Amino acid sequence: EAGVAQSPRYKIIEKRQSVAFWCNPISGHATLYWYQQILGQGPKLLIQFQNNGVVDDSQLPKDRFSAERLKGVDSTLKIQPAKLEDSAVYLCASSLAGSSTDTQYFGPGTRLTVL
Amino acid sequence: GDSVTQMEGPVTLSEEAFLTINCTYTATGYPSLFWYVQYPGEGLQLLLKATKADDKGSNKGFEATYRKETTSFHLEKGSVQVSDSAVYFCALKNSNSGYALNFGKGTSLLVTP
Repeated sequence: EAGVAQSPRYKIIEKRQSVAFWCNPISGHATLYWYQQILGQGPKLLIQFQNNGVVDDSQLPKDRFSAERLKGVDSTLKIQPAKLEDSAVYLCASSLAGSSTDTQYFGPGTRLTVL
Repeated sequence: GDSVTQMEGPVTLSEEAFLTINCTYTATGYPSLFWYVQYPGEGLQLLLKATKADDKGSNKGFEATYRKETTSFHLEKGSVQVSDSAVYFCALKNSNSGYALNFGKGTSLLVTP
C-alpha cells in the first residue's frame, strides 16, 4: 500500500515570496491533516479536513496560510507571503475516519527555509 | 486545553541499558495516547498506542501503559539498541480537538555501542 506522498521535499524561498505544498493521502482515507513542525518542537496542527470539508483550522494563520482539498483527495497548503518564522517542516498525515483509535500515517514532510 | 509534557532530552544510553521516557498529559474526557518515533532522515511512524485506561501498548520491545490516575504514558524498553536512536514523541487524541494529534516536544535518544 502506498504511503502519504508529499512534494516538494525541500524548498528555499525569500521572505515575502509565496510557496505551495502538495499532499496525496493514502487511498481511501477520508481525513487529512497538515501539521507544522518547527525545529526542536513537536508537530502542531494547522488544519484538518474530513473529505473536502474543514473540521478544524483554528490554528491556521489565515492572513497568510490557505489550504484546500478539492474532490476530497489531494490537498495543497499555500503560504503567501512567507515570513522568516515560517521556516519549518510541513507534515501531511491521513487517517481512515478521524476517530479516537484510528492511526494517522505521516508523509515525509516538506522542509521549508525562508531567508 | 489539552497538553502533553515529555522529559527533556537528549537522553544518552549505552547499548542494552534500560530506557524510560516520561510522558504526562492534561486532557478532559478520555483521550487516546500514542508514541511516535522519528528516525534520522525519516518521517514520523506510529510506535504504539493505548485507547483506554490500563491498556498497555507494545511494539518492537517498547511498552507504555495508560495510567489515568497519574495521567501518564511512560515509554519503556528493557534493552536498547543502537538502532533505537531517534526522536520519540508522546501524543494524545481527543474528541474535543476533532481527533487531531496533540504532540509533546519530543525526546531525542542516542544509544552508543
